[in-house]
Amino acid sequence: DQQVKQNSPSLSVQEGRISILNCDYTNSMFDYFLWYKKYPAEGPTFLISISSIKDKNEDGRFTVFLNKSAKHLSLHIVPSQPGDSAVYFCAAIAGTASKLTFGTGTRLQVTL
Amino acid sequence: DAMVIQNPRYQVTQFGKPVTLSCSQTLNHNVMYWYQQKSSQAPKLLFHYYDKDFNNEADTPDNFQSRRPNTSFCFLDIRSPGLGDAAMYLCAIDRLAGDGTDTQYFGPGTRLTVL
Repeated sequence: DQQVKQNSPSLSVQEGRISILNCDYTNSMFDYFLWYKKYPAEGPTFLISISSIKDKNEDGRFTVFLNKSAKHLSLHIVPSQPGDSAVYFCAAIAGTASKLTFGTGTRLQVTL
Repeated sequence: DAMVIQNPRYQVTQFGKPVTLSCSQTLNHNVMYWYQQKSSQAPKLLFHYYDKDFNNEADTPDNFQSRRPNTSFCFLDIRSPGLGDAAMYLCAIDRLAGDGTDTQYFGPGTRLTVL
């Protein structure tokens, strides 16, 4: 049972445009969400997170939006740069548990 | 400076031959995690340590064991690797992000090949 889903395995965006990566979850106990970026042969790198008490969090070019009623979150990257090309994982935590539940990832390719 | 170090980065073993993967951290954090990530799949938590307390996920096979001899080091032992155990193994620690929120910081991973 995949509790965190990223339904788009890949996304291609032109440099300078907006990249929107989507994530859906089914477990209503999740109250903290994170996005990680992963380059080949490296471990995931933390990008940005959001608590369920918020609906938006920004950090530079990265913004995460959370829609609790729809159990949906999205990561916006504006403007997209070639160095953003990587696999992006959405992850969620329930309460005080340490366990991260990951989605299957979306491979973003930013083209020139 | 690397905070989570995993050795080796690439490991090849034979079917059924025990193998040990190593993780060390420079921050003396009390929580360390081991994840398994197979190709095109989500990273999956195998177990974690809170100090010396070992917490095994319910669906982690008995073939996978772990040791944490001290705060800095954590080992993943695969007693009898099968072909299905070929994966990237990721070690992580708890860490506060710049805005004070909780996150996990990952090492570079060890890619295990089983022949």
